[in-house]
Amino acid sequence: GAVVSQHPSWVICKSGTSVKIECRSLDFQATTMFWYRQFPKQSLMLMATSNEGSKATYEQGVEKDKFLINHASLTLSTLTVTSAHPEDSSFYICSVPTGGTSGRVRDTQYFGPGTRLTVL
Amino acid sequence: AQSVAQPEDQVNVAEGNPLTVKCTYSVSGNPYLFWYVQYPNRGLQFLLKYITGDNLVKGSYGFEAEFNKSQTSFHLKKPSALVSDSALYFCAVRGGGTASKLTFGTGTRLQVTL
Repeated sequence: GAVVSQHPSWVICKSGTSVKIECRSLDFQATTMFWYRQFPKQSLMLMATSNEGSKATYEQGVEKDKFLINHASLTLSTLTVTSAHPEDSSFYICSVPTGGTSGRVRDTQYFGPGTRLTVL
Repeated sequence: AQSVAQPEDQVNVAEGNPLTVKCTYSVSGNPYLFWYVQYPNRGLQFLLKYITGDNLVKGSYGFEAEFNKSQTSFHLKKPSALVSDSALYFCAVRGGGTASKLTFGTGTRLQVTL
């Protein structure tokens, strides 16, 4: 069965609006979750690491005020794309490491099904 | 910095034939290597990983991968391809250290035809 779920699976919005994407860990409590972005025909780019109980860690070049991350509980992380513009259109995927915690390099990451965001 | 190279954008193979999807990596220290598969408009599904031990790793759906330290490679293989194997395959690596992130290759599209 699915280990990680995402909602919504797709969303279309107008430019200037904000969109919230939810990522849920179904099988275990997750103190760490990862958010990726995938452009068409390209690889996954890590955007940020979501940490339960503390601020998210953003990768270089990712605007933290643009992409708000809230790790609300041990099973839920949300990514809010604020004031979305067409260039934010992409496929957003979250992942959860084995056991729900980071820190072990041998951990497998389990990925959600992704959310397709289209900004008009 | 760690990196992954998947030199082939696309691999074409006939059903029933063996397939190989190539991956080479660069990382400091011991590598932790992963293969994922992605179907259209879906997230990534874990196939297999190499952490330590036997160089030949067996994974889901009949796939296997061979770790070659001297060639810094981790090629994905399957003895007999199925049309349903057609998808996008990503190789990924993590280096040593708890702060090490998962770095993905650019992906290889596998097309299996009848």
